[in-house]
Amino acid sequence: KAGVTQTPRYLIKTRGQQVTLSCSPISGHRSVSWYQQTPGQGLQFLFEYFSETQRNKGNFPGRFSGRQFSNSRSEMNVSTLELGDSALYLCASREQPTDTGELFFGEGSRLTVL
Amino acid sequence: GQQVMQIPQYQHVQEGEDFTTYCNSSTTLSNIQWYKQRPGGHPVFLIQLVKSGEVKKQKRLTFQFGEAKKNSSLHITATQTTDVGTYFCAGRSTGANNLFFGTGTRLTVIP
Repeated sequence: KAGVTQTPRYLIKTRGQQVTLSCSPISGHRSVSWYQQTPGQGLQFLFEYFSETQRNKGNFPGRFSGRQFSNSRSEMNVSTLELGDSALYLCASREQPTDTGELFFGEGSRLTVL
Repeated sequence: GQQVMQIPQYQHVQEGEDFTTYCNSSTTLSNIQWYKQRPGGHPVFLIQLVKSGEVKKQKRLTFQFGEAKKNSSLHITATQTTDVGTYFCAGRSTGANNLFFGTGTRLTVIP
């Protein structure tokens, strides 16, 4: 099976712009979670989607949003980018959003905001 | 809200020495997972602990879950250069859905 695929891998944006990141989960996985990783804050949970519905949301401003499509692919969007949004954005998938599911991570999308 | 802290933040060891990272949660956890992230890579699942006091071993790695299910540890015996990376614990509070990651411990192994 192919792993979790994230695109783009690297991107550079300027303040005020918006960005859309894409994640294709492992085939058969219907739950997709997004995390922001920065050197100082570690892995911060953004949100989780299952069956095209947002199940959980972390403590991020409304500029961060996401969605999931019927084929389980997910996108996240960050509007009005700020310098502090520079980070590695990781997507993780699992079969079901159950209590015991391990997460399979993609390689991440590294966003630099200038 | 739930917080998962890890110590130490960094650890440098000589190859062959042992290494331990500790994970502490402010709330009782239903289970805890451990992940390893190599430099430039993405987190990879290592193991999951569910029962109070549980101990699991994977070759030179020993994982423990505290009796109160609020803390956990990862111990590596006789480190090798292949052990280099950041080790994260991740836990979910009882009744909660989100998986909260610890701050991570970055391990450097000096040959």
